[in-house]
Amino acid sequence: DTGVSQDPRHKITKRGQNVTFRCDPISEHNRLYWYRQTLGQGPEFLTYFQNEAQLEKSRLLSDRFSAERPKGSFSTLEIQRTEQGDSAMYLCASSLLGRGEKLFFGSGTQLSVL
Amino acid sequence: GENVEQHPSTLSVQEGDSAVIKCTYSDSASNYFPWYKQELGKRPQLIIDIRSNVGEKKDQRIAVTLNKTAKHFSLHITETQPEDSAVYFCAASETSYDKVIFGPGTSLSVIP
Repeated sequence: DTGVSQDPRHKITKRGQNVTFRCDPISEHNRLYWYRQTLGQGPEFLTYFQNEAQLEKSRLLSDRFSAERPKGSFSTLEIQRTEQGDSAMYLCASSLLGRGEKLFFGSGTQLSVL
Repeated sequence: GENVEQHPSTLSVQEGDSAVIKCTYSDSASNYFPWYKQELGKRPQLIIDIRSNVGEKKDQRIAVTLNKTAKHFSLHITETQPEDSAVYFCAASETSYDKVIFGPGTSLSVIP
């Protein structure tokens, strides 16, 4: 396993369309996080999972955003009715609870909403 | 919720000089403070972290200090090298297993 992988790397969509991103964490990692990063800013917390349970979702996150981790392995992040303000890099990270606190980030999905 | 501020937003130093980045946090319950480095076009990577029961931690040319009373923590890089050029993010969380809240980042440029 070479690390956290995200798909797609880039997504261009029109305003109002739905998009879905996938994250495959490091195989033994039970924690999975989604962050959003815009140019010149730090990663903004969106949500995180322990196994298949969603532990917390940012209060700032619109109801248009939903995330799942159905089998405790890969995760998907869906954005419905995209808006131009959703344009950002969406980063996934994973960690292993009980074996260190380091977050391992994926390369991200760059979303552009036209 | 937790809010992490960071300054300066940009920093330029001559190769060999030291660089210092300072952060403040708002939630007194925070006890874990990692630092991440993000090179241009790459993913963030952990470079060092500190817990609240420790006031200082050092790893080769980098060191972190923590003042829990003032809710301040800092990153110190000595003998800077061009490969230290990157964006550095401080972060905080209530425990090492809670969500990590990041600061806005400091863009460090080391001039050869």
